Amino acid sequence: DTEVTQTPKHLVMGMTNKKSLKCEQHMGHRAMYWYKQKAKKPPELMFVYSYEKLSINESMPSRFSPECPNSSLLNLHLHALQPEDSALYLCASSQGHLRGDEQFFGPGTRLTVL
Amino acid sequence: GIQVEQSPPDLILQEGANSTLRCNFSDSVNNLQWFHQNPWGQLINLFYIPSGTKQNGRLSATTVATERYSLLYISSSQTTDSGVYFCAAGGGFKTIFGAGTRLFVKA
Repeated sequence: DTEVTQTPKHLVMGMTNKKSLKCEQHMGHRAMYWYKQKAKKPPELMFVYSYEKLSINESMPSRFSPECPNSSLLNLHLHALQPEDSALYLCASSQGHLRGDEQFFGPGTRLTVL
Repeated sequence: GIQVEQSPPDLILQEGANSTLRCNFSDSVNNLQWFHQNPWGQLINLFYIPSGTKQNGRLSATTVATERYSLLYISSSQTTDSGVYFCAAGGGFKTIFGAGTRLFVKA
């Protein structure tokens, strides 16, 4: 099973809302990733959990908060977002080898912030 | 960090034509992947190819790590090949995507 699942598929939220995106994989992978993709741009790496250790893209604002309850689950908590945060949010997983390895992506959550 | 450049940015092909997409990267890498993003946003794995040559049906890829480039070949293109092709280099927290090649195949 090479599937990464994400919920919800679509999300509309106001700037004062708190919401969470969820990602799950059952491939036994030990690294999970969040990417943000704006229209007509490439995916941009936000956060990586590798063996439950978090690595952060320093340019990501604190209104995005990742959580990794276990090696199969990854959440992205959203709070006080801005309209410019509207984007496709992609989750990926990989085996977690230190020298890098193949990443597999979920279908994404399309987020609109009003 | 690593710089990743893709060319051409846009490509229009007649169905049945062949094409070559290029990915240049600025530093030596242990990771190189090619993806196809469909109109719904799903990134589909095409090749994991840090070095060497691989083939999968009408698609093949070659990475020359010492010269810091990778090529994706599409033969006998079909309308379903349309979409955006990304290469991604670096791996792990160092993963950087190129800007992509937007391909449109005309019937």
